[in-house]
Parts: sequence; C-alpha cells; structure tokens
Amino acid sequence: SQQGEEDPQALSIQEGENATMNCSYKTSINNLQWYRQNSGRGLVHLILIRSNEREKHSGRLRVTLDTSKKSSSLLITASRAADTASYFCATDTGRRALTFGSGTRLQVQP
Amino acid sequence: GAGVSQSPRYKVAKRGQDVALRCDPISGHVSLFWYQQALGQGPEFLTYFQNEAQLDKSGLPSDRFFAERPEGSVSTLKIQRTQQEDSAVYLCASSLALSQNTEAFFGQGTRLTVV
Repeated sequence: SQQGEEDPQALSIQEGENATMNCSYKTSINNLQWYRQNSGRGLVHLILIRSNEREKHSGRLRVTLDTSKKSSSLLITASRAADTASYFCATDTGRRALTFGSGTRLQVQP
Repeated sequence: GAGVSQSPRYKVAKRGQDVALRCDPISGHVSLFWYQQALGQGPEFLTYFQNEAQLDKSGLPSDRFFAERPEGSVSTLKIQRTQQEDSAVYLCASSLALSQNTEAFFGQGTRLTVV
C-alpha cells in the first residue's frame, strides 16, 4: 500500500508558470523526499526535507513540510518544458525503505 | 559505472517462465532496495538488503519472488512461474549510509511483460 497521496494527479501549465504539487501521508516520518521520473526512466532524487524542517530550497524548487497536517508541497518556479515528468513524494518512516505516493504527472507546454 | 545499473532493460516472458533481474548498485553502497512499479503508479517496496543481509522482505507479493545479494554488491531478483500480474517495471535503488536521511539512487528499471 502507498503511504502518500499526491494532488493533483495531473497538472498542465504553460512554460514560465509555477507548478505546485501536494503530498499527504499517514504516519510519522523521519524525512520526506521528492523524486522526478521521466517517462520510461528511473527516479531522480530532487530534494530531502527532514521532519524538523519546515521549508527547503534547491534552485527553482521549494519544498514545505507541515508535520502537524502530515503534508508537503513541492513548488517549481518558472517552469520549463524539460520539467515535464512525473513527481513523487516518498516518506522515510524509519524502516529504511521509502514509501512512495502515486505521483503527479506534470506537463509543461512550451 | 557511476550509477545504478539494471539488466535487462526489457524482458518479455511467457506465463509460467522463470525470470532473473540483475542490479549493480553504486560501488560502496551498503543499502539496496527493490521496488515494483505498475503502470501509472508509484513504486512499491519489495525488499531491502544491508550488505548481504536481507533485512526486510515484507513487500514481496508471493513466494514466487526471491531476491539475493550474496556478496553484498550485485543483487538478483528472481520471479518463478511468472503470472500476468507480475508485469511491471522493477526498480533497484542503492544508498550509501546506514543512517537515516540519505537519498536513494535509482536504476532505470527492468520492464517485465508477461504474455
């Protein structure tokens, strides 16, 4: 079973716009991670936010974490066509393996 | 190589056939994970190794699935008597440290189609 649920399931935006994806999870976590997956490829790690952190930035990415609401958001600013991919949140609950959500499919129109 | 390598990239198996999927993790990575990803879904955990020890196999869907990592490096996921529901992408990931808060590096996966 999957711990996280991403929202929305699919998102289509124009190049230059911002994209926001949300993730909700069910149990306590050590950290939450976001991954990107291009069609037919493996997952690429984007960013990790620890349970005691509230916000983290990496380039055009901004991640927030609200442990009281068991939710996280990923913001991609000034999106590019190359950002088109599926984005997954994954939680580390202390059992070593990550538990993934069902993903948001982002389409950035040039 | 620099990343996690999986082979084959694609495998078509007839129902009932046995298959073996290989994963070469990043050199020196202690932890190795196998995931199963159905079409349009997120990866689902299958099993985890710390060096050669299989510490968690709670995600293996049936006793037809078997994984090993005998020397703490290369790992093989074997599926016996494949069924159509086994069709999926099988992802391998490795990470360096035993501690928490480390990222996992994924291979490109093996797409298994059972016909």
